[in-house]
Amino acid sequence: AQSVTQLGSHVSVSEGALVLLRCNYSSSVPPYLFWYVQYPNQGLQLLLKYTTGATLVKGINGFEAEFKKSETSFHLTNPSAHMSDAAEYFCAVSNQAGTALIFGKGTTLSVSS
Amino acid sequence: KAGVTQTPRYLIKTRGQQVTLSCSPISGHRSVSWYQQTPGQGLQFLFEYFSETQRNKGNFPGRFSGRQFSNSRSEMNVSTLELGDSALYLCASIKDRVENTGELFFGEGSRLTVL
Repeated sequence: AQSVTQLGSHVSVSEGALVLLRCNYSSSVPPYLFWYVQYPNQGLQLLLKYTTGATLVKGINGFEAEFKKSETSFHLTNPSAHMSDAAEYFCAVSNQAGTALIFGKGTTLSVSS
Repeated sequence: KAGVTQTPRYLIKTRGQQVTLSCSPISGHRSVSWYQQTPGQGLQFLFEYFSETQRNKGNFPGRFSGRQFSNSRSEMNVSTLELGDSALYLCASIKDRVENTGELFFGEGSRLTVL
């Protein structure tokens, strides 16, 4: 069965600093992996996804993530945080059919000036 | 291209009542899934519908049900509401179940408060 663990429920950074949000997964099959972002009172928006191919995946707003099979990790980074990046971030793995997502508990990112 | 539309956005019910939430997927998308989001449990999969048939179901009691219509619109129903049902209910759609990459497109959700 698939599962996702996000390390750290809350991460605080200063504007312009590096953002690192950690995600480890468990999957018995080659996974599809995702990072979604949720702004207050809104639904989830896809940041980036890994399906096959290049293990370094670039997404929107300067975010990227690297799939490391040996470490079963899919950490999200951004080299320079903006105030507008403050939100909740969810790592997810898809089920085998690709029709349902198993989410981590989420990490709230705070950005201070 | 319009996104996933959920109605109502906010609603308040009392214990014991029932509620119906509606979801219109992106035009051309045929699969609709529902998720419950709460502070304690996070995001949890409720069920998935495709071609008017439930294809997958999460670990929720029978009070939670859904259906899909021929135009792919979906509704979910919660009967005999409990305080713990207070949550944001998110609907998501994907284009097809064949050769999809698992990317789901989410609506903004229906926030249910049970008093």
